[in-house]
Amino acid sequence: NAGVTQTPKFQVLKTGQSMTLQCAQDMNHEYMSWYRQDPGMGLRLIHYSVGAGITDQGEVPNGYNVSRSTTEDFPLRLLSAAPSQTSVYFCASSLTSGKGDTQYFGPGTRLTVL
Amino acid sequence: TQLLEQSPQFLSIQEGENLTVYCNSSSVFSSLQWYRQEPGEGPVLLVTVVTGGEVKKLKRLTFQFGDARKDSSLHITAAQPGDTGLYLCAGQSYTSGTYKYIFGTGTRLKVLA
Repeated sequence: NAGVTQTPKFQVLKTGQSMTLQCAQDMNHEYMSWYRQDPGMGLRLIHYSVGAGITDQGEVPNGYNVSRSTTEDFPLRLLSAAPSQTSVYFCASSLTSGKGDTQYFGPGTRLTVL
Repeated sequence: TQLLEQSPQFLSIQEGENLTVYCNSSSVFSSLQWYRQEPGEGPVLLVTVVTGGEVKKLKRLTFQFGDARKDSSLHITAAQPGDTGLYLCAGQSYTSGTYKYIFGTGTRLKVLA
């Protein structure tokens, strides 16, 4: 059981470039989400999915797209990177989106946009 | 917009001391979780509390959910260097047809040997 995996671990982009952050889980979890973590601001929800084919926006969705074609994978796309998107990105999953469900986090992707 | 404020933001103490970290909001939460995060890793769940007034203990860590389910505290007894890390609280609320989490700003703890 690998849990939640994320790739790449580090990435440097130039302003305007696009890229996809990968996230996969092997626990058959319905609920997956993407957060960004910035100093002094905790984790902020970008997008989430309650199951394959269903996605919705979180607190800070602008500049990011997601899709959920399978239960296992939940990629995050940056369409045109901006310096304000420099952050550490975490993917998380939980069995359901129910009350008190445990979220399992991946190791994170540290993204720098120049 | 729901906010979760944690205090203190930073804490540096000697091994063996006790400490308390607070997590406060003006919003009511369905549940509240505490996580610990180490450098270069994702947060790891320590505990979930769901009932107002609930107290849970995990070895030297004691977690309490406020009676009104708006606040929580984490108390560590006889801190050890292995307790060093970033502690995050996360409040869960039901909005737009699903439960979502809001994270606090974090408390960075350093325990000196």
